Order: sequence, then structure tokens, then C-alpha cells
Amino acid sequence: GQQLNQSPQSMFIQEGEDVSMNCTSSSIFNTWLWYKQDPGEGPVLLIALYKAGELTSNGRLTAQFGITRKDSFLNISASIPSDVGIYFCAGRLNYGGSQGNLIFGKGTKLSVKP
Amino acid sequence: EAGVAQSPRYKIIEKRQSVAFWCNPISGHATLYWYQQILGQGPKLLIQFQNNGVVDDSQLPKDRFSAERLKGVDSTLKIQPAKLEDSAVYLCASSLDRRDMYNEQFFGPGTRLTVL
Repeated sequence: GQQLNQSPQSMFIQEGEDVSMNCTSSSIFNTWLWYKQDPGEGPVLLIALYKAGELTSNGRLTAQFGITRKDSFLNISASIPSDVGIYFCAGRLNYGGSQGNLIFGKGTKLSVKP
Repeated sequence: EAGVAQSPRYKIIEKRQSVAFWCNPISGHATLYWYQQILGQGPKLLIQFQNNGVVDDSQLPKDRFSAERLKGVDSTLKIQPAKLEDSAVYLCASSLDRRDMYNEQFFGPGTRLTVL
């Protein structure tokens, strides 16, 4: 089945640093999503991308939908302690039917040194 | 607006026992999803409902897992009998309508199941 390769698996950064993570797929997607999951909670949607090449920001977060439609990246600028958590990318081929199902990466665990 | 509610939050059972999880989606959301999230992995879809009908259950282990959404609102997911490898977080999500392009899913807090 389809798989998403998300990297890095984990990272430790200094508060105030910028963070970058990415996700690649062996097949194309028409939607890319980025979620954050805190311990004991469900994933929360951060950014949704619907067009190849699209660059979207949400506060200190910026994400891009790759031109090939097989990758996406997420940047966090000026990280703060509350950015700690696990970030998941998710891709969707289409909407409706099983093609509308989300495929998730394995996550990037972010830890910030205070 | 209230989010997706799930209960219980935690459950510990022995293998071969049965367990059930409950989900109440966001009001007005037609599509409901159950995911399994094993430690260190991303969520994996088990079953998807549109109102009270099953859209996709291709990844549901039907010999032991069952799910229903009888009135098109609340849903229950059952495991009978449980195996050790069923230890995971079970997440429920809902969305307005799976047939819409901008159909994003909102997740509940999950039920953490431990099978001993």
C-alpha cells in the first residue's frame, strides 16, 4: 500500500531556532495535511494544502505542497517550548470513496531545550 | 462548538476479553472514522461511515473487530476477543462530508487500550 516517509524521526532544538521537516511519497497526492499531536490527545490539524506548489502559513508555521505532488514540508520559525509534540504529515489522493482516505506518516517527534 | 468525544479514555483488559469504545462526533458531521494508532506510528484507518452506512472497512480485521453507527450519529467499535497486538490508541474522527474536497477531519482524544 501507499506509504509516507517522514523525516526526521525526532529532533532536539534550542528555543528560538527554526525547524524543518518533510514528507515524501512514492505516489502522488492531491491534498497534503500537517497535524500535531500532544501526549494523550488526538491529532490537531495545523495546515491543509490543496494545490501543487502551494505555500501556506499559519502563524509561525509554513508548509508547502511539492510541485511533483509527492512531497511536502513543514517549517516552524522561532520555536517555543509549546511546539513540543509529534508532527504528522498526511496525504489524500482524492475525495470520496477509499481514495479520500488519509495516509499518515510515522511522525516527527519535536523536543525543545528550554 | 464541542469537539469529538470518546470514552473511555483508558482501558486495560486481558487477552481474549471483549472491549467496546464509544464516539460522539461533532454535531452535523456526516462522516465518521475509526483509526488505530500503534505506539510510534501514525494513525491507520480501520473503518469509515457516511451517516449510518459503511463506506470503507477494508482494513478492519473483521474476525475480531466490529463497528456500528446505527442512527448516523454515535458510533461504537468493539473488539472480541482482544489480542496482545491490539494494544494501541483508538481514535475517532469526524468530518462534514467525505464527498467534499475540503473535507478535513477532526479527531477525538482517543482511547488508550492495553491488552495484557
